Amino acid sequence: KNEVEQSPQNLTAQEGEFITINCSYSVGISALHWLQQHPGGGIVSLFMLSSGKKKHGRLIATINIQEKHSSLHITASHPRDSAVYICAVRSRLDFGNEKLTFGTGTRLTIIP
Amino acid sequence: GAGVSQSPSNKVTEKGKDVELRCDPISGHTALYWYRQRLGQGLEFLIYFQGNSAPDKSGLPSDRFSAERTGESVSTLTIQRTQQEDSAVYLCASRGQATYEQYFGPGTRLTVT
Repeated sequence: KNEVEQSPQNLTAQEGEFITINCSYSVGISALHWLQQHPGGGIVSLFMLSSGKKKHGRLIATINIQEKHSSLHITASHPRDSAVYICAVRSRLDFGNEKLTFGTGTRLTIIP
Repeated sequence: GAGVSQSPSNKVTEKGKDVELRCDPISGHTALYWYRQRLGQGLEFLIYFQGNSAPDKSGLPSDRFSAERTGESVSTLTIQRTQQEDSAVYLCASRGQATYEQYFGPGTRLTVT
């Protein structure tokens, strides 16, 4: 069993739909990251969370530490949101070295 | 300002040859990471440098892999006697002292034939 699991693996939606991508992890963490990988391969950091909720534009990320679960939401989705969204966690056991463990990603396709 | 850069962007090599991949982090970033992403798979941590501390090499898959970084500057990842399973995109990321956010380079796509 992977330490970080994402669902769904693939998601196709119509433009304008509300999108939810889920991430569950099995280890105690000090932080969770959401990353976006564009079709060309470039990776952009979207959020880093250790508790609660963060919002940036149309993107919202939440985390529930007790349930070991995080969600990434996209409101009013647009074709340019099409990308792979990656969840990564920093284990509390890795204190001092900031090593991330990654999920396998969710491939999102938004159809115009 | 300049982001993280990597070179080459693509590298095709024959099995058994050595390759060297380069990462130029964002100026002033003390932390540098190397990751590997095989086709269709998630990112795997390889190695982490933090300033002048001993690097965390716990992710290196075999002794054919090594990496160096001098101070807070350029890093090189070397793969000796390449194997076909080494084919992947190798990504570098750097991080400043006051943040946990990692900035990724564009990656080097390595193909071992």
